[in-house]
Amino acid sequence: DGGITQSPKYLFRKEGQNVTLSCEQNLNHDAMYWYRQDPGQGLRLIYYSQIVNDFQKGDIAEGYSVSREKKESFPLTVTSAQKNPTAFYLCASSSGRVGGLPQHFGDGTRLSIL
Amino acid sequence: EDKVVQSPLSLVVHEGDTVTLNCSYEVTNFRSLLWYKQEKKAPTFLFMLTSSGIEKKSGRLSSILDKKELFSILNITATQTGDSAVYLCALTQGGSEKLVFGKGTKLTVNP
Repeated sequence: DGGITQSPKYLFRKEGQNVTLSCEQNLNHDAMYWYRQDPGQGLRLIYYSQIVNDFQKGDIAEGYSVSREKKESFPLTVTSAQKNPTAFYLCASSSGRVGGLPQHFGDGTRLSIL
Repeated sequence: EDKVVQSPLSLVVHEGDTVTLNCSYEVTNFRSLLWYKQEKKAPTFLFMLTSSGIEKKSGRLSSILDKKELFSILNITATQTGDSAVYLCALTQGGSEKLVFGKGTKLTVNP
């Protein structure tokens, strides 16, 4: 089955700790995205990557970092600089070609502070 | 400033009712508008609209875009409890594939 796999489903972070959320896709998509969702809010874009070894900041990149070393993988690190990390994190992918929407989403990772 | 505004933010109906969800937008270089349904986890794609006045339909769901008045509606007829979800509206601009989301409408369908 083609799809997007996010892990873990639940993650707890201690003060001062960096944590990494995994996102893997087997859809052969070029573009990948990370969103943050807070209660009662829509999705806000953290980072996106349109091609391997390249990525751009979204609207709320501060306190986060990403890498794109392989086409299939786009991990997100929530650093200690992100003071309010508690949220639901969604990873998505698309073909990356103009008109190649819609984006497909993973099942998300729920991050909480310990 | 909000680029994508959904209304209402929350709606409670009874099974069998018909509902209309609204999405208005104010962006430059609009390209497309998308509707997603989000239950517990991953948003699932419903419709993508690029042209005014052309209704897209899937079963009991339909959607239409008005590019002159800058809004879209999502209609659900004969609602069922399984339609309970958050419905998200998002749009793209120019040559970018980035999605800009509204806050969503939480629909609750009671038996």
